[in-house]
Amino acid sequence: GEDVEQSLFLSVREGDSSVINCTYTDSSSTYLYWYKQEPGAGLQLLTYIFSNMDMKQDQRLTVLLNKKDKHLSLRIADTQTGDSAIYFCAEGSNYGGATNKLIFGTGTLLAVQP
Amino acid sequence: DVKVTQSSRYLVKRTGEKVFLECVQDMDHENMFWYRQDPGLGLRLIYFSYDVKMKEKGDIPEGYSVSREKKERFSLILESASTNQTSMYLCASRGNTGELFFGEGSRLTVL
Repeated sequence: GEDVEQSLFLSVREGDSSVINCTYTDSSSTYLYWYKQEPGAGLQLLTYIFSNMDMKQDQRLTVLLNKKDKHLSLRIADTQTGDSAIYFCAEGSNYGGATNKLIFGTGTLLAVQP
Repeated sequence: DVKVTQSSRYLVKRTGEKVFLECVQDMDHENMFWYRQDPGLGLRLIYFSYDVKMKEKGDIPEGYSVSREKKERFSLILESASTNQTSMYLCASRGNTGELFFGEGSRLTVL
C-alpha cells in the first residue's frame, strides 16, 4: 500500500534554514501537502504542490518535488522559535473521482534553538 | 476561512461509557474525516463520509461508528470506550484541491 516516510526529529538554530524531507511510494500521487501542528492543536495546512510542479515558493517556505525519486522537501528560511512544531507530509490521489484519502507521514518534530 | 469545530477539546470517560465526538464545518464540504493521532503512529484514518448518510471505513474502524445526518456535521461514536481508545481525535473536511482542513482536536482519556 501507499506509504509516506519522514525523519522523526530536526534541530536547528534560530536564523538558520530548516529542511524537512519526505519520501512517498505512490507514483500516482496528484497532490502533496505540508501541514504544521503546534502543541495541543490540530493540523494547519501550510502549503501544497501539484505533482506536475517542481517547486513552489511562499514567503519563507519553499517546497521542492523530485517526482522521479518520489522525494518532497520543505525548506523554511530564517527559522524562528515560533516555527517549532511537528511537520507532516501528506500525499493524495484521485482515483476516478472517488474520495481522496490523504496518506500522512509520522511527522517531523522541528526544534528551534534560540 | 474554513472553520472546522470540534465540540470538546478534552474529555475524560470511564471504560464502557458511550462517547460522542462531534464535528461541524461551515464550508459546505461534501467529504469529512475522522483520524486518531498517537505518538509514533502518526495519523490513522478511522472513518470518512463523502455525503449525507454515507460512510466508509478507514484503516482502523474497529470499536468506532459514525453518523452524518446533516452535511455540516460528522459525529464519531465510541459505543463502549476502552483504555486503548485514549488518544487525540482529529476531524477534517476536504477542500476543492484535496486539502484537508482540521479542527483543533479532541483529547480523550479513558480510565
